Amino acid sequence: GEQVEQRPPHLSVREGDSAVIICTYTDPNSYYFFWYKQEPGAGLQLLMKVFSSTEINEGQGFTVLLNKKDKQLSLNLTAAHPGDSAVYFCAVPLGSSGNKLIFGIGTLLSVKP
Amino acid sequence: EAAVTQSPRSKVAVTGGKVTLSCHQTNNHDYMYWYRQDTGHGLRLIHYSYVADSTEKGDIPDGYKASRPSQENFSLILELASLSQTAVYFCASSAGNNNQAPLFGEGTRLSVL
Repeated sequence: GEQVEQRPPHLSVREGDSAVIICTYTDPNSYYFFWYKQEPGAGLQLLMKVFSSTEINEGQGFTVLLNKKDKQLSLNLTAAHPGDSAVYFCAVPLGSSGNKLIFGIGTLLSVKP
Repeated sequence: EAAVTQSPRSKVAVTGGKVTLSCHQTNNHDYMYWYRQDTGHGLRLIHYSYVADSTEKGDIPDGYKASRPSQENFSLILELASLSQTAVYFCASSAGNNNQAPLFGEGTRLSVL
């Protein structure tokens, strides 16, 4: 079945550093994607919606790059701050209806002052 | 304000006991979902529903039942709880249209002893 691989599972950076999280998907027909942020003890909050028609998407201090050839999307944070510490998930809709999501395993990002 | 409310927020259950997790949404969404979160697995879909009085199996339905008595409410039922069902459970709702990101509840932490 369709899969989503997310890496790294853990990422620790200093405040002001950059951080990159990568997801690789298998369905070549996927044309939109989601990134969610989960703070400790909380539910998932939508961080960004990404459409394949736009290879670079920006929002909330993050940039998402989409490489359709390699079926890979990356979440890029250019200047991390402690408030960015959370678990980040990529999610890919399954099938033509898109009503079911496949999630990556998540990346725990820790930003140290 | 759009919301997905889960109850209880945490629960301790005994092996072999019955557990019911409840979810209520005020978003007027057709689709509702139950996901399970385990470290190293991301979120996995247990059951979902796109209309009241009907439920569908997700990727890991074994050991779980679901009930959708109304558009607003969606329950997850563990008839005979087992140790392996210790996890955090998330409910979500979505409009069901393509490109619409599901909204998540705050989660229920279930410990089966």
